[in-house]
Amino acid sequence: GQQVMQIPQYQHVQEGEDFTTYCNSSTTLSNIQWYKQRPGGHPVFLIQLVKSGEVKKQKRLTFQFGEAKKNSSLHITATQTTDVGTYFCNYGGSQGNLIFGKGTKLSVKP
Amino acid sequence: DTGVSQDPRHKITKRGQNVTFRCDPISEHNRLYWYRQTLGQGPEFLTYFQNEAQLEKSRLLSDRFSAERPKGSFSTLEIQRTEQGDSAMYLCASSLIRFQTGADTQYFGPGTRLTVL
Repeated sequence: GQQVMQIPQYQHVQEGEDFTTYCNSSTTLSNIQWYKQRPGGHPVFLIQLVKSGEVKKQKRLTFQFGEAKKNSSLHITATQTTDVGTYFCNYGGSQGNLIFGKGTKLSVKP
Repeated sequence: DTGVSQDPRHKITKRGQNVTFRCDPISEHNRLYWYRQTLGQGPEFLTYFQNEAQLEKSRLLSDRFSAERPKGSFSTLEIQRTEQGDSAMYLCASSLIRFQTGADTQYFGPGTRLTVL
């Protein structure tokens, strides 16, 4: 079956450093979504990528969807303590539900 | 606040008791999802509704779990004869389906944290 792996599982950075998390799928994805969950909070939608090779930016966040639509990345430039949380890449299941992995847990040391 | 709301936010119960959670989706959204999340894991899909119809249930949803969305608005999730393994965060999400391109954008509520003693 379809599997999406996200790496790394944990990332500790010093405030101001950059951060990248990667998602890799064994099969082609129709789209991919990114969510962020703060500690003690609920998942919050960040972005959806649909097109092959798509790149989208949100302030310090850059999202990419691979040409083959099998991988995606989220890059944060100059992390801040407000970036702390778990970042999930998700894809749609057959029922429209989101398939979550374990995500990448980001901690930022001030 | 026009986001997804869930009630209660926390529930502590004894093993064997029944519990019911409520989710109020964003008003114009036609899809409503239930997920369960345990510590250190991503949310796991339980079931979903399109309007009032329950279209799919995960194999995670045992016979002790039942969900309803009687008028296509709010939804309830009931767990009968709770077990300690049911302790988790139960998340509700809603979305508006415009066209089928795979997963749609889902907006999550704050969740109900269940602790079964």
